[in-house]
Order: sequence, then C-alpha cells, then structure tokens
Amino acid sequence: GENVEQHPSTLSVQEGDSAVIKCTYSDSASNYFPWYKQELGKGPQLIIDIRSNVGEKKDQRIAVTLNKTAKHFSLHITETQPEDSAVYFCAPTDSWGKLQFGAGTQVVVTP
Amino acid sequence: EPEVTQTPSHQVTQMGQEVILRCVPISNHLYFYWYRQILGQKVEFLVSFYNNEISEKSEIFDDQFSVERPDGSNFTLKIRSTKLEDSAMYFCASREQGLTTGELFFGEGSRLTVL
Repeated sequence: GENVEQHPSTLSVQEGDSAVIKCTYSDSASNYFPWYKQELGKGPQLIIDIRSNVGEKKDQRIAVTLNKTAKHFSLHITETQPEDSAVYFCAPTDSWGKLQFGAGTQVVVTP
Repeated sequence: EPEVTQTPSHQVTQMGQEVILRCVPISNHLYFYWYRQILGQKVEFLVSFYNNEISEKSEIFDDQFSVERPDGSNFTLKIRSTKLEDSAMYFCASREQGLTTGELFFGEGSRLTVL
C-alpha cells in the first residue's frame, strides 16, 4: 500500500513570509496529487492539485510542485495571512481515485 | 454551491450499540467514500462505493461496518456494534461522475463518541 510522509508536522510563520510543506509517497502508480486544507471542526477542502504530467501549478499565493522521479510534491504558500492557519494534508491518489492522506501539517501564521 | 451534507453532526452512543451515519452526496456524483479521523490524527480511508457496490475497503472496514445507498440520494455508514475505538470524526465524500481522479468533496463530518 501507499506510504505517505509529510513534513514538517508543525510550521509557524510570520505573516507575510512563505511556507513550504513537503510530501513523499511510495506508490509509483499515484498519478494525482492534491493538497487539502482543514480548518477546525470542518471537513478537508481542496486548495490545489496537480496531475502527473505537470511539474508545477500555481494559483495566486499557492503553488504545488511535483517531482515524480523522486516521488515527492510540495505545497508553497507565499505572503502568508492569518486565515492560512489550518492543518494541511497531502493526499496522493491512485488511478482508482483512492486518496491516502499524509499525517498533516499544522500551520500557524502569527501577525 | 453544491455540497455534501452529513447527519448527525454529533452522536453519542453506548458501546455495543448500532450507529448509522447519513450522507447526501452532491447530486451528479457517482463515486462515494467514507473516511474517518481520530482526534488529532490523519484522515484514514474506510471504503469507496460505486455503481451500488463497494469498490475498495481498508483493513479498518471490518464486518462491523457496512455501507448502503438505500435510495437515489442517501449514502449511509452503519457500525453494527460500536467499540470505544470507533470514536472519531467520520467524513463522507463524493466525486463527480465520469472522473476516477479529481476533486473529492467532503462533508462537514459526523462526530461519533462511544462511551
């Protein structure tokens, strides 16, 4: 089965700084790589995703980079704001659509 | 905006009791999932459901668990005889028709507390 590792487990950043979270996976059959944001008391919500034929994707302050050879993908948040504070999960996905979540990264943005 | 809805938001039950968690997926979605999240831990896959049958299940999804789509809108998770370790947040999720990968839409979750 898929082994997913996510680092760091917690990340504290000053407002305006950048945050980077890395996810490593083991299943070479994974071909879809989403990042989910979970706010307290809510379900995970997709914030950005990338497919295996693309190396990088950007959406305003959020970007995802994928290195399929090395089996890792990263979430980049620039110009962090207090509302970015949440738990972020990577969830590499196989061709059957099954997500395997990483352990999560608690991001705290301090004003 | 269409959303996945789950009921109840919180259920407290005694160990050994049966529990049914209900979900209404987004209307044109055909792939359905249950995940659970024990407090402070990661989200874990339980089961996927497509075309009125289970397509995949995890080791967690043992004989005490079952899923059903009793009508055209509801998708339920039943736990026959709850254990203390079943206490968790249970999330239902659905995916759009025709896509095996792509955005998974999650509900707000049902918190189950087993005493």
